[in-house]
Amino acid sequence: GAGVSQSPSNKVTEKGKDVELRCDPISGHTALYWYRQSLGQGLEFLIYFQGNSAPDKSGLPSDRFSAERTGGSVSTLTIQRTQQEDSAVYLCASSRGSYNEQFFGPGTRLTVL
Amino acid sequence: QKEVEQDPGPLSVPEGAIVSLNCTYSNSAFQYFMWYRQYSRKGPELLMYTYSSGNKEDGRFTAQVDKSSKYISLFIRDSQPSDSATYLCAMSDLIKAAGNKLTFGGGTRVLVKP
Repeated sequence: GAGVSQSPSNKVTEKGKDVELRCDPISGHTALYWYRQSLGQGLEFLIYFQGNSAPDKSGLPSDRFSAERTGGSVSTLTIQRTQQEDSAVYLCASSRGSYNEQFFGPGTRLTVL
Repeated sequence: QKEVEQDPGPLSVPEGAIVSLNCTYSNSAFQYFMWYRQYSRKGPELLMYTYSSGNKEDGRFTAQVDKSSKYISLFIRDSQPSDSATYLCAMSDLIKAAGNKLTFGGGTRVLVKP
């Protein structure tokens, strides 16, 4: 079946603009995770969804970052007033349940000029 | 100091050699240990998933966990040029409310030369 998909694959934006990143998890996967991968920090957890709820938002770096999930499926990560330090690859992963293996999407490469 | 430490490499080996990778960690609550492979500009792909201490083998891959030393290893036998990638270790403590939040090492870049 289809894997995790993310869009766009690349996004270039100007400092101060808002961006939305989309994740389509594997069908039937109830758990969804967002991570960020940057050269200096490696791969870091951002937020975890179980269904449409987010029990753990501890990795979101500032209140400019928010995420939602609707219908227990698609998730959107929104970054407001982007800064250059937000430049990174944003990865989404899903799993069948909260404690099952995670399957990653290809990521969205965000560049803030 | 990071919770999970991993030598960034690059680790260069000739085709057919054994690749040896490892990570150390500081959080004794970690119980689940994973190895992911990541090709350039792709998402991480799960290779091995182990629970607690011990060994696990899957084809050319062997994962070892030593919780007493807070040290995990991945061995790749009969390495191929297609194994050239970045290898990431990851671990979690499975606190129920936090789901399976993964903490990653920085990754080791591996080059297998024909």
